[in-house]
Amino acid sequence: DIVMTQSPDSLAVSLGERATINCKSSQSVLYSSNNKNYLAWYQQKPGQPPKLLIYWASTRESGVPDRFSGSGSETDFTLTISSLQAEDVAVYYCQQYYSTPFTFGPGTKVDIK
Amino acid sequence: EVQLVESGGGLGQPGRSLRLSCAASGFTFNDYAMHWVRQAPGKGLEWVSGISWNSGSIGYADSVKGRFTISRDNAKNSLYLQMNSLRADDTALYYCAKAKGDYGDPLDYWGQGTLVTVSS
Repeated sequence: DIVMTQSPDSLAVSLGERATINCKSSQSVLYSSNNKNYLAWYQQKPGQPPKLLIYWASTRESGVPDRFSGSGSETDFTLTISSLQAEDVAVYYCQQYYSTPFTFGPGTKVDIK
Repeated sequence: EVQLVESGGGLGQPGRSLRLSCAASGFTFNDYAMHWVRQAPGKGLEWVSGISWNSGSIGYADSVKGRFTISRDNAKNSLYLQMNSLRADDTALYYCAKAKGDYGDPLDYWGQGTLVTVSS
């Protein structure tokens, strides 16, 4: 099974500042035949189901603000919120969908400083 | 508008069974893979099981393999999770989620979840 880890566990950022979350997979999630990284990012606010933000490591889901961006390849990935807004307070999860079981990272809680 | 509505949760006794259902609407159900994801109280997300559009690809988390069975009825636009030999650590909010396309695609729509509590 592919193990997903995230860092930090939590972070507090001032409004308008940058927030960076890291995700690492225990093995590569890059599929060589199509050169796609099978890595997604989700946002979960309290009392709500998760929301898809980013897939294929860097493709923004429709309707997601462009302050959210994803980068990385193979085993190391980053979610960046370029200018943190109050509504971005949430827990963020990465997930690999390269191979079953499609494991999630443990989550990173983002708060306002 | 895509809607996913889970049902069937509740109190289950250890060792007994429960069957979850997910009613889908607002999209062509038989074109998409579907998944179950759970979240224990105050914990993170755990992928439980997934099924391709034609049931040709099915997968399970190690923690439920041999106890849970995923299935779908495309004629009824419904997804199911048969949960047998329930354990206390199966207690969680169970989400039904739609894949963007095939089995190995991210999850773009989620239901509100149905709560399963396993306790004697």
